[in-house]
Amino acid sequence: QVQLVQSGSELKKPGASLKVSCKTSGYTFTHDGINWVRQAPGQGLEWMGWINTNTGNPTYAQGFTGRVVFSLDTSVNTAYLQITSLQAEDTAVYYCVKGSSAILYWGQGTLVTVSS
Amino acid sequence: EIVLTQSPGTLSLSPGERATLSCRASQSVSSYYLAWYRQKPGQAPRLLIYGASSRATGIPDRFSGSGSGTDFTLTISRLEPEDFAVYYCQHYGSSWTFGQGTRVEIK
Repeated sequence: QVQLVQSGSELKKPGASLKVSCKTSGYTFTHDGINWVRQAPGQGLEWMGWINTNTGNPTYAQGFTGRVVFSLDTSVNTAYLQITSLQAEDTAVYYCVKGSSAILYWGQGTLVTVSS
Repeated sequence: EIVLTQSPGTLSLSPGERATLSCRASQSVSSYYLAWYRQKPGQAPRLLIYGASSRATGIPDRFSGSGSGTDFTLTISRLEPEDFAVYYCQHYGSSWTFGQGTRVEIK
């Protein structure tokens, strides 16, 4: 069965960097893109962008250019989300999701807390 | 950029009642690319409806979706205890956007 397993919760200080992993299984990794979705505490869902797992080409949503980088390691069927210069406003749950249409498969979410 | 506006923000109903949730797009969108999700506390959202009106696998028939153009509706015919949650609509064209959510709470 399709699974997306994300790395664990993180507590970071402002200005630090972060890398969240999303390890996939149960399907051919390069056949479906990986999207990233953010959810701040008590808030709604926000699309951050996606990465084409066949070409490695990332697309960033408005508001997520500059400090956010999507990457892949196709040898281990894993996608990564990196955020630099973390700010308190980056405190959120980050989800990786499979595919480019309606979302059937979600990672379990990674809680990132940015606090001094 | 397409903006999705959901209403109402909160819906207070009793179990067994009918819920009607609205999602309005800032410009006309293809109904093929409109989905609805339910999110329970501490969980990832779950797909309910895709293509505006098709139920996802395993979703009971008390959930139905309708609409076209700029106006879409999710209807829950009889609320079960597990339906008291937050609902999001999503447009998944060349870019994605989510509505801000409607909370269905117990009256």
